Order: sequence, then C-alpha cells, then structure tokens
Amino acid sequence: SQQGEEDPQALSIQEGENATMNCSYKTSINNLQWYRQNSGRGLVHLILIRSNEREKHSGRLRVTLDTSKKSSSLLITASRAADTASYFCALLQANSKLTFGKGITLSVRP
Amino acid sequence: DAGVIQSPRHEVTEMGQEVTLRCKPISGHNSLFWYRQTMMRGLELLIYFNNNVPIDDSGMPEDRFSAKMPNASFSTLKIQPSEPRDSAVYFCASSLTGGAYGYTFGSGTRLTVV
Repeated sequence: SQQGEEDPQALSIQEGENATMNCSYKTSINNLQWYRQNSGRGLVHLILIRSNEREKHSGRLRVTLDTSKKSSSLLITASRAADTASYFCALLQANSKLTFGKGITLSVRP
Repeated sequence: DAGVIQSPRHEVTEMGQEVTLRCKPISGHNSLFWYRQTMMRGLELLIYFNNNVPIDDSGMPEDRFSAKMPNASFSTLKIQPSEPRDSAVYFCASSLTGGAYGYTFGSGTRLTVV
C-alpha cells in the first residue's frame, strides 16, 4: 500500500491530556505530513517532517519519524476541546504524489 | 490571500447530468491537485497539475471524469455523465513545488447525484 495507516482509528481523551496518534507505512517517502480536518471542512496542514529528520515541534505539536521502522507519531500536548477533529497522516513520495491514510477521529471532552 | 477557493460548495444534480467543479488556487502556487473524499475510500488523488500541465491522472476513475487547467489561476473538474456513485466531497489543493512544503486545501464541493 502506498498510503499510511493511522492508529488508533478513534481516540477519546479529557481536556488537558496528551493525545498520541501513530502512522505506519510501507513505501519510501520524501516527507511525511499531518493534517487536521474539522467536520464539514477542508484539510489543514499541521506539520511536515522530512525523511532525514527524526523529530520536529510546532507549538503544542510534536512529530517523530523512524524511517527504519517506517512509522511516525503525532503528539498533541495539553489538548483542548477545539482539537476535536480528524487527523490524517500523508506521505509524499518521489513521484510528488501525496497520499492520505483513512484518518484518526480525536474527541477531546471538556 | 483568500486561500484556495472552490465553487460551488454544494451541488445536487440528477443522474446523467454534467457537473463542473471549479477551483482557484493560491496565487504563486505552481501545483494543483484534485481529491475525492468518501467514507468508504477515504481521500483519493484524482489528478494533479504542475505549471498548468497535467502530470498524473491515473486516479481519475473513468472517462466520464476530465480536468483542465487553462491558466495558473483556474481549474475545473468535469463529470459527464454523472452517476450516483460519484457522490462525494471533492477537494482542490494547491502547493509550491509539488507539495514539498505542504498543501493548502479548499473547503470542498459536496456533490450529490440523485
């Protein structure tokens, strides 16, 4: 498969807790990206990590990449109710195609 | 910048009719992508353009689908004739340099074919 597989499919946490989402893949990639989609809206780019990077931070977001295991994780710290959304892992391959996984539904309870 | 602009936001049409979806990418972006999102199949890349030239249309489901990009600020996705199984949300996205820095998505067109 040329798309990532996110895990878990759904996650429910209490506001203030951390949320960890994982993505595994099988193909070679140029970079891996995470997107958020609120219900009925388009996707919003959150963070990108290149294949030669291991960790990146952006505000409350931390993404890691392990190319030997072909896996990535997205950590959202101190979650808020507004973080409730679907999160997608996307793989950019050498052919410039960006392919998306099926997504993770995150619910943050106030 | 107003972002990627898609129109219409919603489209309801009868089976057999022609449907045209429109997209205005972000000014200065040289790559444009059309995706389709359904519950069953998730997000599928249909076609992408680089500098207004179609690069890969292998995701276009069949000959009923066609896409054009006559200039850097406009693209269309046409379905003729439409079928109920085409019902989905269609997204347009644009980026610099083939997506190496992330894509900007439009709000999508929700198409319902009855």
